[in-house]
Amino acid sequence: GAVVSQHPSRVICKSGTSVKIECRSLDFQATTMFWYRQFPKQSLMLMATSNEGSKATYEQGVEKDKFLINHASLTLSTLTVTSAHPEDSSFYICSALAGKSVEQYFGPGTRLTVT
Amino acid sequence: AQSVTQLDSQVPVFEEAPVELRCNYSSSVSVYLFWYVQYPNQGLQLLLKYLSGSTLVESINGFEAEFNKSQTSFHLRKPSVHISDTAEYFCAVSDRAGYQKVTFGTGTKLQVIP
Repeated sequence: GAVVSQHPSRVICKSGTSVKIECRSLDFQATTMFWYRQFPKQSLMLMATSNEGSKATYEQGVEKDKFLINHASLTLSTLTVTSAHPEDSSFYICSALAGKSVEQYFGPGTRLTVT
Repeated sequence: AQSVTQLDSQVPVFEEAPVELRCNYSSSVSVYLFWYVQYPNQGLQLLLKYLSGSTLVESINGFEAEFNKSQTSFHLRKPSVHISDTAEYFCAVSDRAGYQKVTFGTGTKLQVIP
């Protein structure tokens, strides 16, 4: 089946620094990728939809200048959390759509801890 | 816009007993329905999906779900659970037109007791 990877799986950074999370589709081309955030014991909240070669579409309430998304190729999307603060600590999960598939393939997630 | 309700936040069940995880959805248009499973500190894995055709869909590990349009439900069932089924289960819905956007329920933690 389609495989999506994320790197790193865990990251700890200091408040005020930026951190980049990569999401890769390993065996298919992903025309669309999604970034979700999951708080402890809660559901996934869609942050933004990323289409290759165009600007990401952010959900209401998500700061696009804080959460920079770049979908530079059909296999890679990155999420950069800029000037991170402790409240940005969360589990970030990406997913990808292959062509016209209706099924999203999820990455394993990245645990971000901001100290 | 769609919404998904998973009324049970936690469901404890003894090993080898049957289980049903409830999911109800709300949508003004035709939908696709999904169940995902999440193990601790991992991403989501698709368990099963309803796109069209038979309203009863099955997974390879013994789970099944039935799409009930009149009751707007997509409950997940397994006749006999194993310890390894302990995980968080998320019901999700997307509309057939804007299928890219998926709305997730709040999840149900299935705890299988030995």
